[in-house]
Amino acid sequence: QVQLQESGPGLVKPSETLSLACTISGGSFGSYYWTWIRQSPGQGLEWIGYIFRSGPGKTSQNPSLKSRVTISLDTSRNQFSLRLTSVTAADTGVYFCARGDWNYNYFDYWGQGALVTVSS
Amino acid sequence: QSVLTQPPSVSGAPGQRVTISCTGGSSNIGAGYDVHWYQQLPGTAPKLLIFINVNRPSGVPDRFSGSNSGTSASLVITGLQAEDEADYYCASYDNTLTASVFGGGTKLTVL
Repeated sequence: QVQLQESGPGLVKPSETLSLACTISGGSFGSYYWTWIRQSPGQGLEWIGYIFRSGPGKTSQNPSLKSRVTISLDTSRNQFSLRLTSVTAADTGVYFCARGDWNYNYFDYWGQGALVTVSS
Repeated sequence: QSVLTQPPSVSGAPGQRVTISCTGGSSNIGAGYDVHWYQQLPGTAPKLLIFINVNRPSGVPDRFSGSNSGTSASLVITGLQAEDEADYYCASYDNTLTASVFGGGTKLTVL
């Protein structure tokens, strides 16, 4: 059974960088889109982006966030990570990591979520 | 404003049937991209409920079913149970945004 677990600071100051890691257990990277999704307080879900372990690691980001988002893989730790730069209060929310099907684009396994608050 | 439009809330009594709609456009559902549905119980992560329009993952009761037509999709829940009270999200891909997109979510209340 695949399990995903987010980790990282729960509080980030405005203008700084949000960094989260997602540790994969019970499975390998395989041919999946390793994805980040967030949920602002009381709001819906927003796709942030993914990394696909193929060759150098193809990535795709939500155009609304693209200039601020970096997603990377650390195969030695069985982790993938999110960096979101220049954060503001609007970036406060719960950040989920998820496994995405590369062909049909659905997310079948999710982490429990990590609450990140942007505040000074 | 979400790319996929869902009603903010629906409700039904135990045992009843409810339908949650998901309306998109020509760059997502209407372009033939598959629709998936997620259930989010309070305080938990979303869970895959329906994938590729009509398929249920192992363990999801057959009370849940999905369909789509044109630029819209629907989730139908029959035989409502108290445990079905949750937020439901549809999702697809949008080729104009080149991004996965979600509906705004529908809160199901079991009366």
